[in-house]
Amino acid sequence: EPEVTQTPSHQVTQMGQEVILRCVPISNHLYFYWYRQILGQKVEFLVSFYNNEISEKSEIFDDQFSVERPDGSNFTLKIRSTKLEDSAMYFCASRDRVSTDTQYFGPGTRLTVL
Amino acid sequence: AQTVTQSQPEMSVQEAETVTLSCTYDTSESDYYLFWYKQPPSRQMILVIRQEAYKQQNATENRFSVNFQKAAKSFSLKISDSQLGDAAMYFCAYNKGGNEKLTFGTGTRLTIIP
Repeated sequence: EPEVTQTPSHQVTQMGQEVILRCVPISNHLYFYWYRQILGQKVEFLVSFYNNEISEKSEIFDDQFSVERPDGSNFTLKIRSTKLEDSAMYFCASRDRVSTDTQYFGPGTRLTVL
Repeated sequence: AQTVTQSQPEMSVQEAETVTLSCTYDTSESDYYLFWYKQPPSRQMILVIRQEAYKQQNATENRFSVNFQKAAKSFSLKISDSQLGDAAMYFCAYNKGGNEKLTFGTGTRLTIIP
């Protein structure tokens, strides 16, 4: 069964460094999302992406964040200058055109900022 | 803004018994979608069940079923014949359809007692 994949599974970085989190959505899906979950808290929406542009973004998704679909398969989330409070689990999700609004999640990337 | 409330931070159930997890939500929309996601210790988000608001029939998926009360804005998850593998965090989520974000509740941690 097709699934969303994410790399790396765990990323450790120093405060102020740039990180890129990578996702490969399910191949026929057209809508892509990033969510994050700070440890012990609920899952929060960051950004949605369709047709090579951002559809919606949350207050969390400030100028330090960017997303890109550099080729036909990858979907990336970049954090330019990481802060301690960026430490969280980051989930990528995708949805196809005709699905009944179900978003399928990847396994997540655990980001630790030291 | 839509909100999702899960009032039970923790629940426990004896193996093979039935447990119900509660979820309420607030929305002014008439058409929307509701989901239950399971998050085991691996922290992957796994779709358990979904419900379209326009359908009066409650969704079922094997041992999992929902009690959807649209007027009361309630969406509870019933797990029958609980198994050890059901131990996880369970998140209720709302989506108003289209290319829309998911709004999550704070989760309920379910423990299965052998």
